[in-house]
Amino acid sequence: SAVISQKPSRDICQRGTSLTIQCQVDSQVTMMFWYRQQPGQSLTLIATANQGSEATYESGFVIDKFPISRPNLTFSTLTVSNMSPEDSSIYLCSASDGSYEQYFGPGTRLTVT
Amino acid sequence: AQRVTQPEKLLSVFKGAPVELKCNYSYSGSPELFWYVQYSRQRLQLLLRHISRESIKGFTADLNKGETSFHLKKPFAQEEDSAMYYCALVGQGFKTIFGAGTRLFVKA
Repeated sequence: SAVISQKPSRDICQRGTSLTIQCQVDSQVTMMFWYRQQPGQSLTLIATANQGSEATYESGFVIDKFPISRPNLTFSTLTVSNMSPEDSSIYLCSASDGSYEQYFGPGTRLTVT
Repeated sequence: AQRVTQPEKLLSVFKGAPVELKCNYSYSGSPELFWYVQYSRQRLQLLLRHISRESIKGFTADLNKGETSFHLKKPFAQEEDSAMYYCALVGQGFKTIFGAGTRLFVKA
């Protein structure tokens, strides 16, 4: 199994600014993912964070808005750029060791005013 | 198209009653299916996966390929089962597709 931590746990930001969310795993993992969970809705995959290469984004998500880094097998960051109130959501990091099962972080609750 | 459908947003049962959370999927290959659970103020965590065929916290789920279903069942619900339950399918590229979720409320 893997234990995942995220920072910050929550933040309130002004529109037009950017926030970087950090995700740390306590062991090396094959895959890392970023999800968005809007109020009352399910998880939507933003992108797969690839170690040493550009992230793979899902339809509707672009690198300019959600740049992602993954410098090694235990760490990733997601930046929410030029924020608007529509970006208010919970952002989740998850990891998989290749067994299909995913381990989730506690989430980052973002409010954009 | 790959899709997971959970038709019930909310399911309310009395303690001791049987519970069934429905999940149907659409996938062209052999699916890897999971149930995840999120208790109040806790992170999302795996409850069970179809390939293990085991019972976790009294819950079981059987994959029915003919009906493309993976319903979650428990014969006697407990108050501590109250949570949000997500059915999930792992598709191509290890990407996990989540259903909309069902909130289970077990009444005393």
